[in-house]
Amino acid sequence: KAGVTQTPRYLIKTRGQQVTLSCSPISGHRSVSWYQQTPGQGLQFLFEYFSETQRNKGNFPGRFSGRQFSNSRSEMNVSTLELGDSALYLCASSLNGLAGRADTQYFGPGTRLTVL
Amino acid sequence: DQQVKQNSPSLSVQEGRISILNCDYTNSMFDYFLWYKKYPAEGPTFLISISSIKDKNEDGRFTVFLNKSAKHLSLHIVPSQPGDSAVYFCAASAKGNFNKFYFGSGTKLNVKP
Repeated sequence: KAGVTQTPRYLIKTRGQQVTLSCSPISGHRSVSWYQQTPGQGLQFLFEYFSETQRNKGNFPGRFSGRQFSNSRSEMNVSTLELGDSALYLCASSLNGLAGRADTQYFGPGTRLTVL
Repeated sequence: DQQVKQNSPSLSVQEGRISILNCDYTNSMFDYFLWYKKYPAEGPTFLISISSIKDKNEDGRFTVFLNKSAKHLSLHIVPSQPGDSAVYFCAASAKGNFNKFYFGSGTKLNVKP
């Protein structure tokens, strides 16, 4: 089975611009989560999508948004970029999460975003 | 508020010996725990998981121990190999929170040949 894929792998933007990152989960996985990794804050949960619905959200401003398509692929959007948004953005997919229970997450290679 | 903590930023171990990586958590609602290994410029690679209904789980050279009363888990790697050198993260999820995981800050393991 192919793993989680993320595109693009690297991205350079300037302050004020917006960016869209893409994630294709492992075939059959319906849950997609997004994380931000920075040297100072470590890995922080952004949000989770399941069956095209956001069912979990972290403590990030509204500039960070996402969506999931019917084929479980997900996109994450950051508007009005700030210097502090420079980070590695990781996507993780899980088979399912039934009755509120967690499932093992498998990560993609990440998208390295640099904001100048 | 750091709900998952890895208090040792680094650990150095001789090849063939045991590596023990520790993780503490504060939220008593956490019921599912994962360990990951991460190389620079790559995504984390899943190693092993444990549910709160167990106190031990083994997979090859990797064993995770969970002490719920102490809110502590540890990852044992036996025997350690140079290829195990990486940053190790523990992560935890609470009941009802599906796949919202809280990650520790990581421990960098160096296995010396």
